[in-house]
Amino acid sequence: GAGVSQSPSNKVTEKGKDVELRCDPISGHTALYWYRQSLGQGLEFLIYFQGNSAPDKSGLPSDRFSAERTGGSVSTLTIQRTQQEDSAVYLCASSLAPLGGLGIQEKLFFGSGTQLSVL
Amino acid sequence: DAKTTQPPSMDCAEGRAANLPCNHSTISGNEYVYWYRQIHSQGPQYIIHGLKNNETNEMASLIITEDRKSSTLILPHATLRDTAVYYCIVRVNSGYSTLTFGKGTMLLVSP
Repeated sequence: GAGVSQSPSNKVTEKGKDVELRCDPISGHTALYWYRQSLGQGLEFLIYFQGNSAPDKSGLPSDRFSAERTGGSVSTLTIQRTQQEDSAVYLCASSLAPLGGLGIQEKLFFGSGTQLSVL
Repeated sequence: DAKTTQPPSMDCAEGRAANLPCNHSTISGNEYVYWYRQIHSQGPQYIIHGLKNNETNEMASLIITEDRKSSTLILPHATLRDTAVYYCIVRVNSGYSTLTFGKGTMLLVSP
């Protein structure tokens, strides 16, 4: 696609329910990142994928959070037993190559995010 | 990543140059300076990055001091659409590391 696509754009759920958030990165981008942004706060790193593997999961806040990536493309972030503090905008980004290279690979392209509201 | 310090907010008149400062006094020799911005309800957008030389592209100019302890992002002719939060980020240029976003500077461009 032309850009990073995230779905749904908005999700309202009840406390205790599971949710799945989807990210379609730019075609050909091998690196994929999930961030979240709580109201009025900066971006918080969650997890990084290179291909289908996740060498850095250090930002996942609890074991209720998990993510997978299949075919080196689409990624799904799953939150189990959602809590009110999980309410945030969940942002996905992709890049042509992992951060650590030089030049154009350094750009992260972000989607518009999924606004998650847990009631 | 080295810590950066930015003013929480700035104002700029439409058509004037917006100069956004960033302090990164603990930057190491192999760390780049990156700028991203986030317009309301959108994901962050890459603007520019540099190591030690000044850089210019179609969006902005980046001026890095000789000691590399601070930098300035310049939007030469700010428009209302440039109203956004601007993030200055420092990270190494080799090996894997994430982009760590701070609070940034909220730039308000007014008519």
